[in-house]
Amino acid sequence: SQQGEEDPQALSIQEGENATMNCSYKTSINNLQWYRQNSGRGLVHLILIRSNEREKHSGRLRVTLDTSKKSSSLLITASRAADTASYFCATDAGNNNDMRFGAGTRLTVKP
Amino acid sequence: ETGVTQSPTHLIKTRGQQVTLRCSSQSGHNTVSWYQQALGQGPQFIFQYYREEENGRGNFPPRFSGLQFPNYSSELNVNALELDDSALYLCASSWVQGSGGYTFGSGTRLTVV
Repeated sequence: SQQGEEDPQALSIQEGENATMNCSYKTSINNLQWYRQNSGRGLVHLILIRSNEREKHSGRLRVTLDTSKKSSSLLITASRAADTASYFCATDAGNNNDMRFGAGTRLTVKP
Repeated sequence: ETGVTQSPTHLIKTRGQQVTLRCSSQSGHNTVSWYQQALGQGPQFIFQYYREEENGRGNFPPRFSGLQFPNYSSELNVNALELDDSALYLCASSWVQGSGGYTFGSGTRLTVV
């Protein structure tokens, strides 16, 4: 069963704009991860944020985590056409060693 | 340092047949997880192997089984294939059960007809 739910399901922006994607989850977690997937290929790990962290940066990516609201956001600044992909959040609750993914946000960046 | 490689990349099977998918984990990783991703959905956890033992399983029937070998490579076997088994199968490797993020392969696209 899915754990995370991404919002919105689809997002279309112009190159240079910022893109914000949200993720909500249901149970307590050890960490939350964001992944990117290009058109039916493998997932690429973007960033991991632990349950005791509130914000993390990596290049043009900024991730926040609010454990009281069970939610996370991924911000991509100054987007590029190459950022066009599906973005997934995945939660690690430490149960059964599974990582649970949401259904993803499909981001389209128009040149 | 090599990444995660999966084979084959594409496969077409007939309902009722059996299939074996293979995965070579990234150098230095000791844990392999398998996921099933249906079209337009997020990956669903099948199971994880750590030190050649199954170390967690998702909500998949027993006809989904696996192996991990001493070199940490892994196989996913599916018996009695059903049409709904058509999906992208992803293998992910990690160190110490995913505490630092997973490295995914490009997947095997299985079509059951």
